[in-house]
Order: sequence, then structure tokens, then C-alpha cells
Amino acid sequence: DTGVSQNPRHKITKRGQNVTFRCDPISEHNRLYWYRQTLGQGPEFLTYFQNEAQLEKSRLLSDRFSAERPKGSFSTLEIQRTEQGDSAMYLCASSPTGGSTDTQYFGPGTRLTVL
Amino acid sequence: AQSVAQPEDQVNVAEGNPLTVKCTYSVSGNPYLFWYVQYPNRGLQFLLKYITGDNLVKGSYGFEAEFNKSQTSFHLKKPSALVSDSALYFCAVRDGASGGSYIPTFGRGTSLIVHP
Repeated sequence: DTGVSQNPRHKITKRGQNVTFRCDPISEHNRLYWYRQTLGQGPEFLTYFQNEAQLEKSRLLSDRFSAERPKGSFSTLEIQRTEQGDSAMYLCASSPTGGSTDTQYFGPGTRLTVL
Repeated sequence: AQSVAQPEDQVNVAEGNPLTVKCTYSVSGNPYLFWYVQYPNRGLQFLLKYITGDNLVKGSYGFEAEFNKSQTSFHLKKPSALVSDSALYFCAVRDGASGGSYIPTFGRGTSLIVHP
């Protein structure tokens, strides 16, 4: 399968713990996006990378959230000192540069539950 | 600023009947419009997009959407619904003006239920 992959698929943690999620985009895509989706809502943008550069960050991304894409390939999203309000589905998407830059390919998501 | 409204939380249709899922948008520049579908426990899948050109856009699985600039709408349609079309549908928009962000804004989603 050459689509976008995310690990883990599910994560249950206790409030105050740190968690890290990984996203592996489609190999030739150099744009990578993180979104958060809660029940009854559409995906909400968190942050965007072009290659290894983090070009945009949402105001939703508090200082407890950090994302990296060190080699321009996979990306990690870390949440420090998790809160119950962080419980959500975290989605990763990638897109190519060039003709179809606007078509984003989504991974299956990581569902985070904070107890 | 850009925004999307999906006025219906749920659409019910009988199999074989035509379906419409509504979307209206607001954007200051040129609208780039998208529809995505989300099946249970799956990621969002791209269906179709409007960037420029013909107002009627054809996409995957027999879906199409019509761009209407005067009504600022981009409704998703299919002539004959299948039970397997039952899923969550998201409309998205981004401002295509030069220097605009690549980040789309998604609607809240519409749950499509196709009854046998």
C-alpha cells in the first residue's frame, strides 16, 4: 500500500502524559498537513510542511503541540501534558507540488483518547 | 477569510434515486472547491474539485458537482444513489488568489444515508 500511513491508529493515555504520532506521506509528496477532527466536525488545520520547513501553524496549535519533519519525509506530532480536550482524531495528509497540488491524500488517522 | 457551510447534517435518500448534498462557500478571492468522502474508520478520500473551467465537475464513483458563482454554491450530486454511497461527505474551500494559503477550510460534514 503506497498511501499515507499513520501510527499508532489508536492511543489511550492519561491526562498529563506526552504522546507522539507519526505520519508517513506518499513518497513523492513534499507537502504534509496535520489536522484535528472531533465528532461532528470537519478536519481543522493544525500545521503544514513543505519539505522540512514548517510553513504555517494554526492558532489551534498551542505551545503543548509540536510537529517536525526533519528530513522532509515522515513527520511527527507531539502533544505534551495532554488534556482531556485533546481527545480527537488526528489526521495527516500529503500532496504533491506541481499540477495537483490541491488534492490532499489523507491517512486513516490516529484516534487519541485522554482519560 | 474563507468558510464553508453544509446546511444539512444528514441526507436520506432511497437507493436508485438522485441525491444532492449541499455546500455554500465564502472566499475573498477565487474559490478552489473540493469534495471529500469519509467511510467509517477510514481517512478522507478525494472525490472531485473545481479550480477553473467548466462549472460541472465530474469525479469518482459517479459523483459530480456544479459550481454556481452567483449562489456561491458547490452542491454534490449523483443521478442514482447506491447503498454503498452511505458515508460522511465534506466540502472544502481555499482561496486560489495569488499568495493565498494552501490550506483548505472544511465544512462540518453531511451524513448521507442511502436506504435499500
